[in-house]
Amino acid sequence: DSGVTQTPKHLITATGQRVTLRCSPRSGDLSVYWYQQSLDQGLQFLIQYYNGEERAKGNILERFSAQQFPDLHSELNLSSLELGDSALYFCASSVGQGGTGELFFGEGSRLTVL
Amino acid sequence: GENVEQHPSTLSVQEGDSAVIKCTYSDSASNYFPWYKQELGKRPQLIIDIRSNVGEKKDQRIAVTLNKTAKHFSLHITETQPEDSAVYFCAARRYVSGGSYIPTFGRGTSLIVHP
Repeated sequence: DSGVTQTPKHLITATGQRVTLRCSPRSGDLSVYWYQQSLDQGLQFLIQYYNGEERAKGNILERFSAQQFPDLHSELNLSSLELGDSALYFCASSVGQGGTGELFFGEGSRLTVL
Repeated sequence: GENVEQHPSTLSVQEGDSAVIKCTYSDSASNYFPWYKQELGKRPQLIIDIRSNVGEKKDQRIAVTLNKTAKHFSLHITETQPEDSAVYFCAARRYVSGGSYIPTFGRGTSLIVHP
């Protein structure tokens, strides 16, 4: 158990809908990273938050947004969903801003858009 | 930004053989290179890492080598076992503005170890 909690584990929805994925980092970790894992695409970096502030952005679509709350949990909001958004979404956390090395991943949220 | 290429995408070996996975990176500022193992249906987990001031690191049957000049690094697994079967991801981490370090991952290598 990495200590990172993600909910829901599985989510099935229709095109055009909006969903929210939730992540609770390990106790004491201030950074949260969101990654998208599609078939054959590896782990695509979406966005990073540190202590409530956005710190880095990757290939995140404008239809997607995220935030980190004062209690350090984070939410990834996906709107106007398309079939191609079907993927496994991972949240990871680290103590600092990534300089210490290891990222601890949650179990992921599998999104299926029909 | 950083670009990480990983090869091969699939690697099939017999139990007891060695396996080698290779990665190249583009950003010379990258200074930390972790390897993650993802078993089927599970989360990625760090198995070994190497920093830019080191050329090689070993941990039992696993070793990683780094060639900064050529910008490539490799994972070596000796005496493979069926439980080594998984997807392996390399990553290169670089500093970005705002004080953050972001790892960029390769596309992964599916290692299959046949008993």
